[in-house]
Amino acid sequence: SQQGEEDPQALSIQEGENATMNCSYKTSINNLQWYRQNSGRGLVHLILIRSNEREKHSGRLRVTLDTSKKSSSLLITASRAADTASYFCATDAGGGGNKLTFGTGTQLKVEL
Amino acid sequence: DADVTQTPRNRITKTGKRIMLECSQTKGHDRMYWYRQDPGLGLQLIYYSFDVKDINKGEISDGYSVSRQAQAKFSLSLESAIPNQTALYFCATSDFRVDEQFFGPGTRLTVL
Repeated sequence: SQQGEEDPQALSIQEGENATMNCSYKTSINNLQWYRQNSGRGLVHLILIRSNEREKHSGRLRVTLDTSKKSSSLLITASRAADTASYFCATDAGGGGNKLTFGTGTQLKVEL
Repeated sequence: DADVTQTPRNRITKTGKRIMLECSQTKGHDRMYWYRQDPGLGLQLIYYSFDVKDINKGEISDGYSVSRQAQAKFSLSLESAIPNQTALYFCATSDFRVDEQFFGPGTRLTVL
């Protein structure tokens, strides 16, 4: 079963525009993480936000977390063609072991 | 992550065959995970291991078994492969001090 649902499923934008992806989840969490996957390859960790944090930045990435609504968003500013990938949110419900439950992903395409 | 390797990278097998997928890591991490990814979906956890003597079932362990031969090696076996086990399989590692996971490049398995 998937913990998270991501919205939109697919997103196409022009280079230089901002991309926003949303993630909703079902249960309480310890932290929420975002990963990127280039076509058919392994996932790469982008950013982690803990349940007591509301916003976090890393380079062109901005993540927000609203635990009352059980939702998170990932904003990529000034997108580049190289940002074309699938983006997944993953939740860690705590309890030890860093077990992650992944969402269904957003496919982002950045066109020149 | 080049420190997490998976073999084979591609495998085609027939229904009923036993197959083993191998994962090795040089990161010195204690925790290792096996996931499967079906087309258009996120990752689902098959098994995870906190150390050599600690192995746990994930969401979808039926039809799979694992072996943690050493801290650095974690193998996934399909005892009798069936077509709906056709998927991308990823190994991942993490350390108890950090929450992010590091993924291997994946194994594309096709069961005919």
